[in-house]
Amino acid sequence: AQKITQTQPGMFVQEKEAVTLDCTYDTSDPSYGLFWYKQPSSGEMIFLIYQGSYDQQNATEGRYSLNFQKARKSANLVISASQLGDSAMYFCAIHWITGGGNKLTFGTGTQLKVEL
Amino acid sequence: SQTIHQWPATLVQPVGSPLSLECTVEGTSNPNLYWYRQAAGRGLQLLFYSIGIDQISSEVPQNLSASRPQDRQFILSSKKLLLSDSGFYLCAWTAGGPGDTQYFGPGTRLTVL
Repeated sequence: AQKITQTQPGMFVQEKEAVTLDCTYDTSDPSYGLFWYKQPSSGEMIFLIYQGSYDQQNATEGRYSLNFQKARKSANLVISASQLGDSAMYFCAIHWITGGGNKLTFGTGTQLKVEL
Repeated sequence: SQTIHQWPATLVQPVGSPLSLECTVEGTSNPNLYWYRQAAGRGLQLLFYSIGIDQISSEVPQNLSASRPQDRQFILSSKKLLLSDSGFYLCAWTAGGPGDTQYFGPGTRLTVL
């Protein structure tokens, strides 16, 4: 079974600084994908970034980058130049395929607070 | 472009009452559809997923059920709500390919009293 662990229940960062949100995973499948989502107080889950297990380069999307270390089974999210609007809950998820359905298993999330 | 709708946005129901939450996707055909529940301060728990009409899989045994009456419509139901059914319900869709991103709707906040 797939498992995702986010060990930081809460993080603080100052505006314009970079922050790293940790995510480790456990899977026996050779092919998998890792996602990060942002959930602001409104509740909607917003897709941020994706990394495939066979991707050679770390994924980047604007200010978001994924520090993917396959041997260590970690997929940390790096947010550069933090903004007040980045304050939200962040979830890491692992994608796997079973029984014809693509499924996601989510971590418990990290609450990020950006301060002035 | 694709859009996903959920309604109602909020719902307050008494224990023992029925439930019907609706999710509709526009701008795509034959999507994979998903229902998740998020308890307060917790992560998402997958409840049901569907790869087509009449193809629905249940992940967690409970008093909820799901149906897919049309290709782009996914319904979450209950005959009798429990207090433990309170939470934030999210619907998601994906085109179904390997690594395909799941896109979420705005969610329904359900409070059972």
